[in-house]
Amino acid sequence: GAVVSQHPSRVICKSGTSVKIECRSLDFQATTMFWYRQFPKKSLMLMATSNEGSKATYEQGVEKDKFLINHASLTLSTLTVTSAHPEDSSFYICSAWGGASGSAGTDTQYFGPGTRLTVL
Amino acid sequence: KNEVEQSPQNLTAQEGEFITINCSYSVGISALHWLQQHPGGGIVSLFMLSSGKKKHGRLIATINIQEKHSSLHITASHPRDSAVYICAVGHSGGGADGLTFGKGTHLIIQP
Repeated sequence: GAVVSQHPSRVICKSGTSVKIECRSLDFQATTMFWYRQFPKKSLMLMATSNEGSKATYEQGVEKDKFLINHASLTLSTLTVTSAHPEDSSFYICSAWGGASGSAGTDTQYFGPGTRLTVL
Repeated sequence: KNEVEQSPQNLTAQEGEFITINCSYSVGISALHWLQQHPGGGIVSLFMLSSGKKKHGRLIATINIQEKHSSLHITASHPRDSAVYICAVGHSGGGADGLTFGKGTHLIIQP
């Protein structure tokens, strides 16, 4: 099946620093990648939708200048949390969609394993 | 905005029992996803369906579009099925849409 990887799996940083999280589709080309956030004991929430070569579309309430998304190729999207604060501590998950014709084999989203961010 | 409700929130059962998890949503959708999240957070997509019923191994997912309701069934449950099961809905069709998630059902299967 289609595989999506994320790196790093876990990161601890100091308040005020920036952290970059990578999301890669390993064996298919991802037309669209999605970034989600999950706070403890809460639902996953969509942060932004990213199409290769285009600016990301952010959900209401998500600061685009704080959460920078770059989707430079069909296999890589990055999320940079700028000037991180403790309230940004969360579990960040990406997913990738290979397109209706099924670059990944089926028309669905494939999820990465997630990145746990802790800001001290 | 679609409201996605799951029930039950927590479910503990004995190995071998038939499990049902329910999901209802408030606004018409184009696709509904059932996901499995294990401790540690990794998410696996189990099903995506827009009508009818799908089966994969011991898992069965059904959806009733008119009633805005879906169920996930696990037959012959096993301790390895212990996980959080999440219902999510999309509006644009297929996997092209950012999803709205339910809060999940925490399932524990005891030996």
